[in-house]
Amino acid sequence: GENVEQHPSTLSVQEGDSAVIKCTYSDSASNYFPWYKQELGKGPQLIIDIRSNVGEKKDQRIAVTLNKTAKHFSLHITETQPEDSAVYFCAAYLNDYKLSFGAGTTVTVRA
Amino acid sequence: SQTIHQWPATLVQPVGSPLSLECTVEGTSNPNLYWYRQAAGRGLQLLFYSVGIGQISSEVPQNLSASRPQDRQFILSSKKLLLSDSGFYLCAWRGRGSGEKLFFGSGTQLSVL
Repeated sequence: GENVEQHPSTLSVQEGDSAVIKCTYSDSASNYFPWYKQELGKGPQLIIDIRSNVGEKKDQRIAVTLNKTAKHFSLHITETQPEDSAVYFCAAYLNDYKLSFGAGTTVTVRA
Repeated sequence: SQTIHQWPATLVQPVGSPLSLECTVEGTSNPNLYWYRQAAGRGLQLLFYSVGIGQISSEVPQNLSASRPQDRQFILSSKKLLLSDSGFYLCAWRGRGSGEKLFFGSGTQLSVL
């Protein structure tokens, strides 16, 4: 089955700096890669996603890049703000029904 | 627009007691429905998914069961809770028209004491 590895597990950045989270996946057939943000005590929220026919996608301060050959994808947050502090999960589509999730990255933005 | 409702938000139950968590989706029909569990500080573990009424697929052997009595209703149950059943339970849905996008509910924090 699909295996998604996510690094780092924790990330502390100064407000205004950039944050980068990286994920690798094992199944070359995976073709959809979403990222979720989870605040304490809440359900994960979809913040950005990318399909395998696209190499990069950007939405304001958030961007995702995909390297299909290397089977890895990354989340980039620029100009970080305190409200960016949360747990971020990457995922890859295993088949038509299931996503396989990374273990999560706890991001702390220091004021 | 589509919304997902999950309740209760928090639940404290004694060991050996039954469990019933309910999830409903509005604004879509024939969605795929999912139950995930998240242990404290951990990732998301898929427990069950359903592609239609009465169709349940189990991902891991456990003390829990799921049912889908109606198209947009998904229920997670247990006859006798164990301490290890404690965790944050999340319902999620994926609609036929939304492609691969998966949307989560607000979660239920279950503490088994």
